[in-house]
Amino acid sequence: KAGVTQTPRYLIKTRGQQVTLSCSPISGHRSVSWYQQTPGQGLQFLFEYFSETQRNKGNFPGRFSGRQFSNSRSEMNVSTLELGDSALYLCASWSGRNTEAFFGQGTRLTVV
Amino acid sequence: AQKITQTQPGMFVQEKEAVTLDCTYDTSDQSYGLFWYKQPSSGEMIFLIYQGSYDEQNATEGRYSLNFQKARKSANLVISASQLGDSAMYFCAMRERSGNTGKLIFGQGTTLQVKP
Repeated sequence: KAGVTQTPRYLIKTRGQQVTLSCSPISGHRSVSWYQQTPGQGLQFLFEYFSETQRNKGNFPGRFSGRQFSNSRSEMNVSTLELGDSALYLCASWSGRNTEAFFGQGTRLTVV
Repeated sequence: AQKITQTQPGMFVQEKEAVTLDCTYDTSDQSYGLFWYKQPSSGEMIFLIYQGSYDEQNATEGRYSLNFQKARKSANLVISASQLGDSAMYFCAMRERSGNTGKLIFGQGTTLQVKP
């Protein structure tokens, strides 16, 4: 059974640009949540999608957005990148009983 | 507000010994789930163990066990027979079950180093 796949693994972008990150959950999992990890703030919840609907949203500016497709794959988009957006972005795929959340390897975004 | 506290920024343990990583939590919810994750230097978060707030038995998964003390709001991870490959960052996290949300609140993590 394939795990959670995040692409790309590494990304370097310039301030002001936008970026799209992708997450393919485990087959059969319908819930996907996104997290930002930085040395200063730790792991922070961005948003969660279930059956193509955003179910929950963290305390991030509107520059951060996401969506989920009918095959449960999810994307997150960050527009007008700032240096502070440099982070490891992790996606989690939830089992049906919500007792297990499996993470992908993450996308390490560097904004220069 | 929900909060997870991990008071040990770093821990050392000798190979083959057991180690306990501390985690306390704060929530007003009666129904919640507690998770532990391992994050090696590669960055991937590896799911270790889960404990539901209504589970009467402490969760165990191989060498990992969760010492759940509900009245004290603590959910310590015990790793038995430490191995060199256990060296990593460990995170405790909580999910409120009400609202069926997939949002996890994480602690700041504990770095574990296993000495040969």
